[in-house]
Amino acid sequence: SQKIEQNSEALNIQEGKTATLTCNYTNYSPAYLQWYRQDPGRGPVFLLLIRENEKEKRKERLKVTFDTTLKQSLFHITASQPADSATYLCALSGAGSYQLTFGKGTKLSVIP
Amino acid sequence: GAVVSQHPSRVICKSGTSVKIECRSLDFQATTMFWYRQFPKKSLMLMATSNEGSKATYEQGVEKDKFLINHASLTLSTLTVTSAHPEDSSFYICSARTMSSYNEQFFGPGTRLTVL
Repeated sequence: SQKIEQNSEALNIQEGKTATLTCNYTNYSPAYLQWYRQDPGRGPVFLLLIRENEKEKRKERLKVTFDTTLKQSLFHITASQPADSATYLCALSGAGSYQLTFGKGTKLSVIP
Repeated sequence: GAVVSQHPSRVICKSGTSVKIECRSLDFQATTMFWYRQFPKKSLMLMATSNEGSKATYEQGVEKDKFLINHASLTLSTLTVTSAHPEDSSFYICSARTMSSYNEQFFGPGTRLTVL
């Protein structure tokens, strides 16, 4: 069955450093991979989408990579700030499908 | 743009009662809306997909008679939890996609349901 793993349940990082979160998947060939941010008691907020034929996508301090050979995506936040503290979810969808399958998320804490 | 609201944000009800949750797209027309539930420290689990004017498609293991979904317009979908029981207590989140969005979804703020 399809499996999505976000390796770290929690990640602590010093302010100003680059946070790197990992998303691995098995038994899946996603056409799209997305990253969302979720704050406690709130719905997820869309951050970035990357397609299977794209290697890298950037948006301000965010960078996502997608390696379909390794079946892995890396999500980077550069110059991290305490306001970046949240749970980050990776989500996959297949070609022709709008349904998303989510990982459990990684809770990022940026320490001042 | 692409704002989704949910109402109520929090509801507490007695076992056996029914609860309706509304999901609205405020500044766009949503061709498709999705309903998820999320347990603490767990991932979002898709319950059903609904397209305006047609019956919802439920995921395996989700009882359609228990979780009634109505998507009467391009801006409103409702989820009714019928005869709620304590095990239905969860965080329910809706999302919507716009006609122009590629595959990203825009989520509502969620509804915390507690069944006593």
